[in-house]
Amino acid sequence: GAVVSQHPSWVICKSGTSVKIECRSLDFQATTMFWYRQFPKQSLMLMATSNEGSKATYEQGVEKDKFLINHASLTLSTLTVTSAHPEDSSFYICSPREADEQFFGPGTRLTVL
Amino acid sequence: TQLLEQSPQFLSIQEGENLTVYCNSSSVFSSLQWYRQEPGEGPVLLVTVVTGGEVKKLKRLTFQFGDARKDSSLHITAAQPGDTGLYLCAGPGPGTASKLTFGTGTRLQVTL
Repeated sequence: GAVVSQHPSWVICKSGTSVKIECRSLDFQATTMFWYRQFPKQSLMLMATSNEGSKATYEQGVEKDKFLINHASLTLSTLTVTSAHPEDSSFYICSPREADEQFFGPGTRLTVL
Repeated sequence: TQLLEQSPQFLSIQEGENLTVYCNSSSVFSSLQWYRQEPGEGPVLLVTVVTGGEVKKLKRLTFQFGDARKDSSLHITAAQPGDTGLYLCAGPGPGTASKLTFGTGTRLQVTL
């Protein structure tokens, strides 16, 4: 089956710092990557969609200058939370898509102090 | 806005009981999916339903897609503690079928 990894699995940082989250599709090529955010006791909310080599498309209410997405290759995408604040604390999940199948990473827990 | 409302939001039952989780929308979906998510992990796909009226069974789980393709249900028979988790329905869109929008979620707790 498809294997998706995220790194780090959890991170704690100080307010104002930037955090980069990596998402890798280990045995398939992700033509499209979705990034979701999940607050405690809530559902997954789509943040942005990116296609390999193209700029990401952000959902309404998601700041593109704060959440930088890079999808430079078919097996790697990164999400950088710039100048993180406590309200950015959340569970971030990447979701690579190959053809008609969509897979999910194990998530990254971000805590901003 | 294409919303998927799930009910109940939270369910706490004892082992052996039956339960049903509902996923409702005012929009028509070409398909719906059901996922289960455990704390600290990504969601895991349980089933995809694509035909109105379709019923799919996965061991003790029975999934149904409404005739009008606006709603779906998940029925669990004889729940076990291992069924504990967050159950999410999801459908394509809005705007593009390649997006996946998740329902509001149902948190299930099964105790001994």
